[in-house]
Amino acid sequence: DTEVTQTPKHLVMGMTNKKSLKCEQHMGHRAMYWYKQKAKKPPELMFVYSYEKLSINESVPSRFSPECPNSSLLNLHLHALQPEDSALYLCASSQDLWHEQFFGPGTRLTVL
Amino acid sequence: ELKVEQNPLFLSMQEGKNYTIYCNYSTTSDRLYWYRQDPGKSLESLFVLLSNGAVKQEGRLMASLDTKARLSTLHITAAVHDLSATYFCAVEGRSQGNLIFGKGTKLSVKP
Repeated sequence: DTEVTQTPKHLVMGMTNKKSLKCEQHMGHRAMYWYKQKAKKPPELMFVYSYEKLSINESVPSRFSPECPNSSLLNLHLHALQPEDSALYLCASSQDLWHEQFFGPGTRLTVL
Repeated sequence: ELKVEQNPLFLSMQEGKNYTIYCNYSTTSDRLYWYRQDPGKSLESLFVLLSNGAVKQEGRLMASLDTKARLSTLHITAAVHDLSATYFCAVEGRSQGNLIFGKGTKLSVKP
């Protein structure tokens, strides 16, 4: 298995909802990432996990809460989001922090 | 703060023509990446450049890295419509795993 999978592909949620984005890889990679990409903009790093521990948190608001249950899974829990949080959320993984990152297909999130 | 600048940001080419996309970055970095993104899709890794003078080629695309000049180029040879996409360069930031992306170059290849 040489890919990163993300679910759901699309998500529409209200500002009072709680939802989760899921990311999975079975390549044995030990680093996993969450990025946010607004339309016509480059991806922006949100969180990095290395060996299941949070390595980088790019000053992301607390309404976004990452979780790494095991080396293959990465979740992003969403609560009380704002309409400006609508974006494409990309998950990536790499063999280790200094290796090439491989991206999943993304979850397109719309907050109403 | 590391800055990554790409130019041009928009590029309209005719099929069969050659062109180069430039990626400048502001601080030293050991590695540089090129990614391709089709509309509404994810990022596809194209090249990983790990050392000064590195040159890699895949089909009609060739990437090079000059770490002294802090410059990478992505050269397109004899463009075809299938190359139409947005191309991003990315450089590792202040910590490992922290990729800083350029703004992207939107390439449109017309017949």
